[in-house]
Amino acid sequence: GESVGLHLPTLSVQEGDNSIINCAYSNSASDYFIWYKQESGKGPQFIIDIRSNMDKRQGQRVTVLLNKTVKHLSLQIAATQPGDSAVYFCAENIDTGGFKTIFGAGTRLFVKA
Amino acid sequence: DAGVTQSPTHLIKTRGQQVTLRCSPKSGHDTVSWYQQALGQGPQFIFQYYEEEERQRGNFPDRFSGHQFPNYSSELNVNALLLGDSALYLCASSPAGGNTIYFGEGSWLTVV
Repeated sequence: GESVGLHLPTLSVQEGDNSIINCAYSNSASDYFIWYKQESGKGPQFIIDIRSNMDKRQGQRVTVLLNKTVKHLSLQIAATQPGDSAVYFCAENIDTGGFKTIFGAGTRLFVKA
Repeated sequence: DAGVTQSPTHLIKTRGQQVTLRCSPKSGHDTVSWYQQALGQGPQFIFQYYEEEERQRGNFPDRFSGHQFPNYSSELNVNALLLGDSALYLCASSPAGGNTIYFGEGSWLTVV
């Protein structure tokens, strides 16, 4: 089937701590994964992506880890800031002679000052 | 460089009515995808347009239709509106050969 799920619906962290948001996917044929951030009242914003031939990719304060063996994806945010408070979605591209991007339900991150 | 733009930002319709939502893709992008996002859920894929044709479709009824114009802009039409169609409708675009989609801010549709 096509589904991307998340382990936790909400995550609360202290400002300055590291955040880890987890995601499970079910389509073993997916070869491209993306994390999006959605702030209240706005559209999802691209954060970072990773291809299936990689197991780690780093951006500015964010790192995505991919474990294909257990079909698990995670987003790590270093030194979490109040501006990081949002809903985070993992998504996967399913190749159908073009592609479609499938989203999970999301994890809401609360950052406590 | 303008990103993905959508209009209108908010609208209210009555059950049974029809609605048209509009999207202009990011400059240099030729593929447009539409998503429906209900409150508290992730975006659900409706369909994707490329070269003015529907390339693929998600699990949405025929009441949902679309169009892409030669300038790559797109419209989403929903007929015979139901209360359950109330949602945020998101447009996303991607460049030719690319596989990352970039979203607009969405159109909030309320059906009463």
